[in-house]
Amino acid sequence: GQNIDQPTEMTATEGAIVQINCTYQTSGFNGLFWYQQHAGEAPTFLSYNVLDGLEEKGRFSSFLSRSKGYSYLLLKELQMKDSASYLCAVRDRNAGNMLTFGGGTRLMVKP
Amino acid sequence: DADVTQTPRNRITKTGKRIMLECSQTKGHDRMYWYRQDPGLGLRLIYYSFDVKDINKGEISDGYSVSRQAQAKFSLSLESAIPNQTALYFCATSDGGYYGYTFGSGTRLTVV
Repeated sequence: GQNIDQPTEMTATEGAIVQINCTYQTSGFNGLFWYQQHAGEAPTFLSYNVLDGLEEKGRFSSFLSRSKGYSYLLLKELQMKDSASYLCAVRDRNAGNMLTFGGGTRLMVKP
Repeated sequence: DADVTQTPRNRITKTGKRIMLECSQTKGHDRMYWYRQDPGLGLRLIYYSFDVKDINKGEISDGYSVSRQAQAKFSLSLESAIPNQTALYFCATSDGGYYGYTFGSGTRLTVV
């Protein structure tokens, strides 16, 4: 089975940097995804890590350490529109490469 | 047009009624999924299908059934709706590749 943990809520200030952590336990790790979900809308793809290290895409970066079962999503220069839930999801090759989702981190950006 | 289309977008139905939620995709993906999301909670898997002849139960399949009519179509049915099935329902597709899953816009279902 899998266990994915991420904080339930975080608050940050516009213009600041925020780091959202995700820890996981899985028997057949085959990649970690981050999705952004605005309230009432569909999750949308943000990033994918399968090897250790940092992946940078504009204001968003995602880091992975497979040995520690740990990832984080880093959001820089926060904007009000970044207020959303951020879902960590792990792909498991022992489960037909299906994704298991964490409960999501609700990020509130304040002026 | 959206890659993954869900209909209806919103639905209010009465307890005991049968209701079908439909999902169609133009991604050409073999794999399709139905998820349920309750306020403040994550996505919970109801059913999934890896191809037209493959149907599998997820973690919360009780009270639901599905039909994979074609590669592009995957429907979710509530045989006798109950109020605690009030939720946001998402259909998703995948090919096991880089982007993971592609989600539909969701169906907001209210059972009164």
